[in-house]
Amino acid sequence: EAGVTQFPSHSVIEKGQTVTLRCDPISGHDNLYWYRRVMGKEIKFLLHFVKESKQDESGMPNNRFLAERTGGTYSTLKVQPAELEDSGVYFCASSQDLSPGHYGYTFGSGTRLTVV
Amino acid sequence: QKEVEQDPGPLSVPEGAIVSLNCTYSNSAFQYFMWYRQYSRKGPELLMYTYSSGNKEDGRFTAQVDKSSKYISLFIRDSQPSDSATYLCAMSSSGGSYIPTFGRGTSLIVHP
Repeated sequence: EAGVTQFPSHSVIEKGQTVTLRCDPISGHDNLYWYRRVMGKEIKFLLHFVKESKQDESGMPNNRFLAERTGGTYSTLKVQPAELEDSGVYFCASSQDLSPGHYGYTFGSGTRLTVV
Repeated sequence: QKEVEQDPGPLSVPEGAIVSLNCTYSNSAFQYFMWYRQYSRKGPELLMYTYSSGNKEDGRFTAQVDKSSKYISLFIRDSQPSDSATYLCAMSSSGGSYIPTFGRGTSLIVHP
């Protein structure tokens, strides 16, 4: 079974530019999550998709962040325009059901975003 | 006060030592408790999961939850250099679609 795939693995962009991160969840996983870890801080929840619908986007920091999930398959997270404080590692995770236990979430390896 | 507190370390131990990793939390609604392991440049992977209070053992790993003290622990017996990683505690409640709240993670180094 293929895992959660994220790309790019690294991205360095200038302040004010646009970046789009992509996540391919495990096939059949209806639940897709985006998380972010800023250096030295906790992994913070950004939003949760159930299929193509946004179930919870309470963690999105501001309207410069836009997430989509086309047809309930892959998801993109766009940052426009990027600011210095957006630097960090963006993780995507998917799960078959809502319960966090048992199999838990399967995380991708993350996209390391650096805004200069 | 953060919802989940975890000492970032690093914690350095010799091979074969017993390792104790801990987290405290403030939200009494948390019922699901997890430990994730994260190797460098990789995503977190679920290591242990416990519902409510009690102990759970899996090989060299034991997870303990003390809800009365709002304190959870992960013990690693006979630690190996391959156990060197960051260990993140996470916990959630049935409200809010079980979205877990993570600790900062503790960096563990097991040296030969």
